[in-house]
Amino acid sequence: GNSVTQMEGPVTLSEEAFLTINCTYTATGYPSLFWYVQYPGEGLQLLLKATKADDKGSNKGFEATYRKETTSFHLEKGSVQVSDSAVYFCALSDKNRGSTLGRLYFGRGTQLTVWP
Amino acid sequence: DTGVSQNPRHKITKRGQNVTFRCDPISEHNRLYWYRQTLGQGPEFLTYFQNEAQLEKSRLLSDRFSAERPKGSFSTLEIQRTEQGDSAMYLCASSQQGASTDTQYFGPGTRLTVL
Repeated sequence: GNSVTQMEGPVTLSEEAFLTINCTYTATGYPSLFWYVQYPGEGLQLLLKATKADDKGSNKGFEATYRKETTSFHLEKGSVQVSDSAVYFCALSDKNRGSTLGRLYFGRGTQLTVWP
Repeated sequence: DTGVSQNPRHKITKRGQNVTFRCDPISEHNRLYWYRQTLGQGPEFLTYFQNEAQLEKSRLLSDRFSAERPKGSFSTLEIQRTEQGDSAMYLCASSQQGASTDTQYFGPGTRLTVL
């Protein structure tokens, strides 16, 4: 079946530190992969996405590369800011013959806190 | 593009009461999804619609839950005879099927508290 395993938090970093949040997946088809972010008191926002192997998604200094050989989609940022403090969710949407199948499968989320 | 909206944002009810939530998707999106999120967990899929057709329902969606999208635009999620275990954030998302990634955009959620 489809599932996402995400690095457990919480993660606490100092400003300007390097961030990695690990995400691995299992899928029956050819999934698209996503990172969503949830800031305090707000809804889920799409951070970045990748639709096929070796694609790199990027946004706001965050990057993640779709690695089919390791079934991973780790989130990285070279220099975090206090404003990056949030909960980050890795997710996949499975596909069949190029068409998405509907539901998203989410990891449990990783709480990131960045101190000044 | 005004985004996905949900109403109410918060709902407190007593056990055994019925509640109904509404979701208005992004106007051009033909798919609409409902998820449930409990504290410390990722969202869990409940059901989704393509236009007015309900295409998939999760096992989480017991017979006390019903969702509709009568005209293929807004959707309602009703919970009958609420239980304390129904307390959660109910999220709605929409997407445009046929786009390369069918990316889902989420609303702010409705937080349900069952006393």
